[in-house]
Amino acid sequence: RKEVEQDPGPFNVPEGATVAFNCTYSNSASQSFFWYRQDCRKEPKLLMSVYSSGNEDGRFTAQLNRASQYISLLIRDSKLSDSATYLCVVLNSGGGADGLTFGKGTHLIIQP
Amino acid sequence: GAVVSQHPSRVICKSGTSVKIECRSLDFQATTMFWYRQFPKKSLMLMATSNEGSKATYEQGVEKDKFLINHASLTLSTLTVTSAHPEDSSFYICSASSDGGLTDTQYFGPGTRLTVL
Repeated sequence: RKEVEQDPGPFNVPEGATVAFNCTYSNSASQSFFWYRQDCRKEPKLLMSVYSSGNEDGRFTAQLNRASQYISLLIRDSKLSDSATYLCVVLNSGGGADGLTFGKGTHLIIQP
Repeated sequence: GAVVSQHPSRVICKSGTSVKIECRSLDFQATTMFWYRQFPKKSLMLMATSNEGSKATYEQGVEKDKFLINHASLTLSTLTVTSAHPEDSSFYICSASSDGGLTDTQYFGPGTRLTVL
């Protein structure tokens, strides 16, 4: 089983719709979780961290389910500019940038 | 599919020595490979983009002579940190793209933790 798994998509979603995707991780000792956004041929940028209690940032909501070992990202009222690849990232060691594992990304296409 | 490996996963070296990090695409041909560096609690910083058989394109502020990148084959790119110093200590991640795909997806390696004493 791969350490971090995501559905690669592409997810084709009409503008204004709500879209959600999950990411599963295999290491139950994983400590921190993140969603990164990557535009074509650009470097990934941190979108949001994922906290145990879940967190929301504008139209974006991230949730963590430790029992089932998955994290999710929900995008409401999707915009054309949300089209990108969303990378699930898991940190397995005790802090800093050590031990990051990237998923392969979920490609999202928002259609007008 | 689309597995990218890096070697070594961790390296500790003395100041002044050179360190080579390998990035391999195991089951696909990577026409383009990217090298990133990450500082604690920050997003990835793109260092350079390399296309097989040609010179790497370095991002502004990245020293070409300090970070030597070679992409000699469609499955292997190497990053050599020359005359490493403690400030070079970081987490280095490569990614590989097969290009030509609809999504132009980058597949990330597991990273290499470099510690310079």
